[in-house]
Amino acid sequence: QQPVQSPQAVILREGEDAVINCSSSKALYSVHWYRQKHGEAPVFLMILLKGGEQKGHDKISASFNEKKQQSSLYLTASQLSYSGTYFCGTESTSGTYKYIFGTGTRLKVLA
Amino acid sequence: DTAVSQTPKYLVTQMGNDKSIKCEQNLGHDTMYWYKQDSKKFLKIMFSYNNKELIINETVPNRFSPKSPDKAHLNLHINSLELGDSAVYFCASRGGTRDTEAFFGQGTRLTVV
Repeated sequence: QQPVQSPQAVILREGEDAVINCSSSKALYSVHWYRQKHGEAPVFLMILLKGGEQKGHDKISASFNEKKQQSSLYLTASQLSYSGTYFCGTESTSGTYKYIFGTGTRLKVLA
Repeated sequence: DTAVSQTPKYLVTQMGNDKSIKCEQNLGHDTMYWYKQDSKKFLKIMFSYNNKELIINETVPNRFSPKSPDKAHLNLHINSLELGDSAVYFCASRGGTRDTEAFFGQGTRLTVV
């Protein structure tokens, strides 16, 4: 039932790009992206809503395909600070209170 | 001024004990959650409360009992702790509309020995 993220883990060099995918089995109203650094709480990055509206980070972009119930997070020209575990948070069209997270993607950026 | 504060940060206890984790938010949010993050980093929803009312209970053992005395507080009491309860527990809150993000507490690392 948790949205599935891919890849599970990725290692990059500084300056390289990465794409993280989130796929749900349920119809989604919105997708939210978070980054969690080791030993810390997840921190919000951006929201994507049905209809194409986006809110959030100015250096990270994302897409939301409502029909396929999928979202992708695009990290371009990665920096060391991008290292962490990325989660998609999802809300289905059926209600606002079940806010569930994807399986997570561990990203490590090397100098 | 911390938006979502969770205490304690670390909790080490023996099997069979009872323990509580407290969470408070000063954001005026209506909805609060408890999540469990296991060693594989999966973030699993446990409970969701809206305006002090339990909305979601994700088949969590009834040794776990959340309590919300008011909409700013959501505490988690765990009875008869087991080794498998060892994890990081996060409290989070969200506003009342679907375009709002979750704000997390710092997490409580529970270790059952």
